[in-house]
Amino acid sequence: GQNIDQPTEMTATEGAIVQINCTYQTSGFNGLFWYQQHAGEAPTFLSYNVLDGLEEKGRFSSFLSRSKGYSYLLLKELQMKDSASYLCAVRDSNYQLIWGAGTKLIIKP
Amino acid sequence: GVTQSPTHLIKTRGQQVTLRCSSQSGHNTVSWYQQALGQGPQFIFQYYREEENGRGNFPPRFSGLQFPNDSSELNVNALELDDSALYLCASSLGRGTGSETQYFGPGTRLLVL
Repeated sequence: GQNIDQPTEMTATEGAIVQINCTYQTSGFNGLFWYQQHAGEAPTFLSYNVLDGLEEKGRFSSFLSRSKGYSYLLLKELQMKDSASYLCAVRDSNYQLIWGAGTKLIIKP
Repeated sequence: GVTQSPTHLIKTRGQQVTLRCSSQSGHNTVSWYQQALGQGPQFIFQYYREEENGRGNFPPRFSGLQFPNDSSELNVNALELDDSALYLCASSLGRGTGSETQYFGPGTRLLVL
């Protein structure tokens, strides 16, 4: 079966850095996405990786290692508004998006 | 942006429901997801240019349509209690084989009693 694993919940301090990990086992790989979802709202796109390495976009960076089936999302200079769930999704060989359950990130002052 | 209606809905077991979505203008692909509380979205199906071009592990009582005017709908027959969830639609430009970003609507929260 297909599986995406993320930690259920993480806590970090305002101004700090946090890394959210995602490991995946899917039938094929055609890219990995990270989305942010605030409670009661729709997911919004953060980043896309298809090749190994680091993609940086402002305070957010995402890393991919296809050989290890591993990705992480790095959030720097944390702000209270970053409190949300972060969803990892992999596009499989059928080009369907397989989603993890999400990591709830709690930011404390 | 992407809009969905209604925002909330209460139905009873065995009934049928139709959820609607209006895609971002110009987008030719719409995907529907079911999201249970505390879980990630589960892919239901995807339509590209009014034809279904991908389906997840959902029974046939989940069906959909995509119309030429950027609108689409999800129909669920013979509702079951486990169908209670947030239903999200997402639109994108392209068949969904590359880096196309999916833009999500706010969702319809369905409660089946």
